[in-house]
Amino acid sequence: KNQVEQSPQSLIILEGKNCTLQCNYTVSPFSNLRWYKQDTGRGPVSLTIMTFSENTKSNGRYTATLDADTKQSSLHITASQLSDSASYICVVRANSNSGYALNFGKGTSLLVTP
Amino acid sequence: GAGVSQSPSNKVTEKGKDVELRCDPISGHTALYWYRQSLGQGLEFLIYFQGNSAPDKSGLPSDRFSAERTGGSVSTLTIQRTQQEDSAVYLCASRLEAGQYYNEQFFGPGTRLTVL
Repeated sequence: KNQVEQSPQSLIILEGKNCTLQCNYTVSPFSNLRWYKQDTGRGPVSLTIMTFSENTKSNGRYTATLDADTKQSSLHITASQLSDSASYICVVRANSNSGYALNFGKGTSLLVTP
Repeated sequence: GAGVSQSPSNKVTEKGKDVELRCDPISGHTALYWYRQSLGQGLEFLIYFQGNSAPDKSGLPSDRFSAERTGGSVSTLTIQRTQQEDSAVYLCASRLEAGQYYNEQFFGPGTRLTVL
């Protein structure tokens, strides 16, 4: 079972509007959570990283929140632009001293239309 | 500086043929990862190299898949006797120090593999 669930699977919004993407996880013990943006035909690029003690982190028009108690994160995009059209991937790292420790969500596909 | 590069960018092959995909990580990065991304699916972990340690091969889907990393730098992912279900984008990523939890992975642009 995937330990990182993202919603919605896809989203279409008008340019200039705001939107919020959700990420719920069951990964334990928790180390950190990243949001990546993946443009079509490109590799993912990190937007934000959040650790257990961080509730909010911003990167320009992108704001991520984390509730470690409920194991939920959100990515809020403000004043969307056409270039925001991409897949947004939530990745949760387990607190492990060895081996591979990343858990990827399947992503939310965002389309911003004129 | 240069990012992670992968070659070829696209590869079309016939079922049953072997293919090799190459990844050049960022210089100095000790950790290297291979992922597979099928259409409409999330990233699927394949294999992870960290320095001189034995690689974590737990994600390889079958014994047709193998990877090596020479001299702690360039990596090659080999798929033998390709099948149509192997068609996907294969992404490589590198990371400065796997032990530092906050270090991010830097991804290459991927190789799109199509098996006819």
